[in-house]
Amino acid sequence: QVQVVESGGGVVQPGRSLRLSCAASGFTFSSNAMHWVRQAPGKGLEWVAVISYDGRNKYYADSVKGRFTISRDNSKNTVYLQMNSLRAEDTAVYYCARGEMATMGFIDYWGQGTLVTVSS
Amino acid sequence: DIQMTQSPSTLSASVGDRVTITCRASQSISSWLAWYQQKPGKAPKVLIYKASSLESGVPSRFSGSGSGTEFTLTISSLQPDDFATYHCQQYNSFPYTFGRGTELEIK
Repeated sequence: QVQVVESGGGVVQPGRSLRLSCAASGFTFSSNAMHWVRQAPGKGLEWVAVISYDGRNKYYADSVKGRFTISRDNSKNTVYLQMNSLRAEDTAVYYCARGEMATMGFIDYWGQGTLVTVSS
Repeated sequence: DIQMTQSPSTLSASVGDRVTITCRASQSISSWLAWYQQKPGKAPKVLIYKASSLESGVPSRFSGSGSGTEFTLTISSLQPDDFATYHCQQYNSFPYTFGRGTELEIK
């Protein structure tokens, strides 16, 4: 069955960097877009970024543009989120999720999330 | 960016009730709307996609309707397992955007 498992979360100081990883299995990874979505404590969902099936197309939320970079390695069935210049407002559970299509499409499978806490 | 306005933010209901949640888009998104259910401490789960298509395995008491800018999620007869938070999301264009969520609580 489809599985996505996030890792790399933790506590980081403001201004520092962190890289999240997401290992996928149970489907042909190179056929689907992959997303990151976050949820601050007690808040709603915020879409963060997407990368197309082949890595050529990437889109970001305005709140992270220029600071976060999404990438993927189809040989390792893994997607990454490099987060730089972290701010307190980036504190959230970060979910990795599969897009149902190669580029556009809704999100059909979600990981369990990894918590990122930005605090001094 | 497309803004998604979801209402109500909280809904109190009883087992067996019929409930409706509304989501409005700031511009037309055709039928590119999904509904997700989320329970505390868990990842969201898709219920409805393309405004009215039921995801495989989702009970038929869940239904979606609408197009353009107005959408609804209806639960025909609430079951104990349905008390959760519901989120709408547009996937017409990037950046994808979510509504603020509706917490469905037991009356």
